[in-house]
Amino acid sequence: DTAVSQTPKYLVTQMGNDKSIKCEQNLGHDTMYWYKQDSKKFLKIMFSYNNKELIINETVPNRFSPKSPDKAHLNLHINSLELGDSAVYFCASSLRDTWNTIYFGEGSWLTVV
Amino acid sequence: ELKVEQNPLFLSMQEGKNYTIYCNYSTTSDRLYWYRQDPGKSLESLFVLLSNGAVKQEGRLMASLDTKARLSTLHITAAVHDLSATYFCAVTSGTYKYIFGTGTRLKVLA
Repeated sequence: DTAVSQTPKYLVTQMGNDKSIKCEQNLGHDTMYWYKQDSKKFLKIMFSYNNKELIINETVPNRFSPKSPDKAHLNLHINSLELGDSAVYFCASSLRDTWNTIYFGEGSWLTVV
Repeated sequence: ELKVEQNPLFLSMQEGKNYTIYCNYSTTSDRLYWYRQDPGKSLESLFVLLSNGAVKQEGRLMASLDTKARLSTLHITAAVHDLSATYFCAVTSGTYKYIFGTGTRLKVLA
């Protein structure tokens, strides 16, 4: 039973295309995140939603648009993909006010060619 | 802005040796997390440290937290090859934001 699941796991696409990554969690958490991990393994937070409300929006190009239809789902849409968008995108979730760890999905490997 | 730094960034060590990874953070936080990432895999939670002086141990790994020094350590005892991975610490900024350290790539040599 996968706790945080992302699709697709691998995505190879051409520059200029638009793509989406989907994320779902079945942990009953109320907060979800998108993180980007670059080739040097640095992990940077991009967005966070709590109960469908956007609460963290880091300095990310507006080509990236998150959407949370409900608290169990958080999708990431990327317009006009650029070479520099190539990275691993991790979805994660947590339960507010418990200070427990956040749980990560398996990652989506995006390669822009 | 909260910054989290780890050192070393890369660590190559012999099996059976001990070593410590350091995690420094720039602003006050009472909570610190350690994660492990295997190549091509997701991040797995190792420890959650929730107060000053907290110490947790699991197998050959022991983590501690000194909130006054804004420092956490991950100590490896008698390293084995299976511990080879990248280790991240993370600190919370505000209610929701988990800021990750730069990561320490550990390679344990037989």
